[in-house]
Amino acid sequence: GESVGLHLPTLSVQEGDNSIINCAYSNSASDYFIWYKQESGKGPQFIIDIRSNMDKRQGQRVTVLLNKTVKHLSLQIAATQPGDSAVYFCAENGENTGFQKLVFGTGTRLLVSP
Amino acid sequence: EAGVTQFPSHSVIEKGQTVTLRCDPISGHDNLYWYRRVMGKEIKFLLHFVKESKQDESGMPNNRFLAERTGGTYSTLKVQPAELEDSGVYFCASSRDPGGGGEKLFFGSGTQLSVL
Repeated sequence: GESVGLHLPTLSVQEGDNSIINCAYSNSASDYFIWYKQESGKGPQFIIDIRSNMDKRQGQRVTVLLNKTVKHLSLQIAATQPGDSAVYFCAENGENTGFQKLVFGTGTRLLVSP
Repeated sequence: EAGVTQFPSHSVIEKGQTVTLRCDPISGHDNLYWYRRVMGKEIKFLLHFVKESKQDESGMPNNRFLAERTGGTYSTLKVQPAELEDSGVYFCASSRDPGGGGEKLFFGSGTQLSVL
């Protein structure tokens, strides 16, 4: 398992609140974006993805928003639960190579208090 | 269905020694990736196999790193000789199809490598 870095940006919320995690990406040619959740001792786990021809996609309790104009991606978690506590990474398929050569962001730690 | 498994979960070695990490992808997944996260920085791509062939190894940091996937099943990543800056977490991931959008990557739990 992994010891998560000590200097990650942290978002602290109360259980039941909505959480918004933001991410700026660098490559305007990227056409595929993913959010991953990493819990302590585990690898990144897929949450939701979005293609560049969309600006919003919804899943169960999660929504991803994509603003290509400012190269910004956000993950919204509705009714946040203690089990949502983890580090969240955005990733982009930066080179549009047709396979998953992903470029990851630095991550944001989400802390959910009961 | 078993997920991506990696072995060992932790490895502590001295500078100059050799370490071999192993990854067993999900059965039937032709695409296997190695990523790593060093010094608390971003997770970065190392290389990609399609079956037993290296599709892209542009992320491999130097020739001390050797990845193999004989027979197109499990893969190994050998570091020889290990240096202090190699410390970090090495993740393996697999997917059935190449992806590039819409094909999920499944990650293993990683190998925490500490070089002393």
